[in-house]
Amino acid sequence: TQLLEQSPQFLSIQEGENLTVYCNSSSVFSSLQWYRQEPGEGPVLLVTVVTGGEVKKLKRLTFQFGDARKDSSLHITAAQPGDTGLYLCAASNTGKLIFGQGTTLQVKP
Amino acid sequence: EAGVVQSPRYKIIEKKQPVAFWCNPISGHNTLYWYLQNLGQGPELLIRYENEEAVDDSQLPKDRFSAERLKGVDSTLKIQPAELGDSAVYLCASSLVATGELFFGEGSRLTVL
Repeated sequence: TQLLEQSPQFLSIQEGENLTVYCNSSSVFSSLQWYRQEPGEGPVLLVTVVTGGEVKKLKRLTFQFGDARKDSSLHITAAQPGDTGLYLCAASNTGKLIFGQGTTLQVKP
Repeated sequence: EAGVVQSPRYKIIEKKQPVAFWCNPISGHNTLYWYLQNLGQGPELLIRYENEEAVDDSQLPKDRFSAERLKGVDSTLKIQPAELGDSAVYLCASSLVATGELFFGEGSRLTVL
């Protein structure tokens, strides 16, 4: 069974701080996606990484895919209250997309 | 372009009652998914359709859950009878290709009393 483990599960920080969320697995994936979900809404795709070692930036968010394509990280610089939400990684290598359990981020003003 | 539409947004029922959820995917998206999501957790796949064919329903509790996607467009997910543990958000998503970007609806929040 493929499993995606995210850490930390919860994170509460002050506005302006930096943070990193991790997504780990023992399986190799052909691609990995990061989603963000706000309360009462469905998840929305932030980025897809496909190449080992790949780094993608989306404003203050930096995503990295591990060299072995088994893990990924999401780094947020100078977090804002608007970054509050549930961050989910999702991956597949058999045509079935599975999600991690999520990281709940709260950014306090 | 309209996104994925789900209804109802909220449903409160008593245990042992039936309930049904409806999903209209984005036009042209052949792949449709139903996920279950508990509060603060990641979505868990219940069933995936390619057109009208259910290609992955291994996680669907078939004793009480059923789904259909007639004509390969809209889909319904039914629970009969509902149990207390079924209280959750039921998310529908669609994509152009399997494992591509998923577009989610707002979800249907079920409360079983």
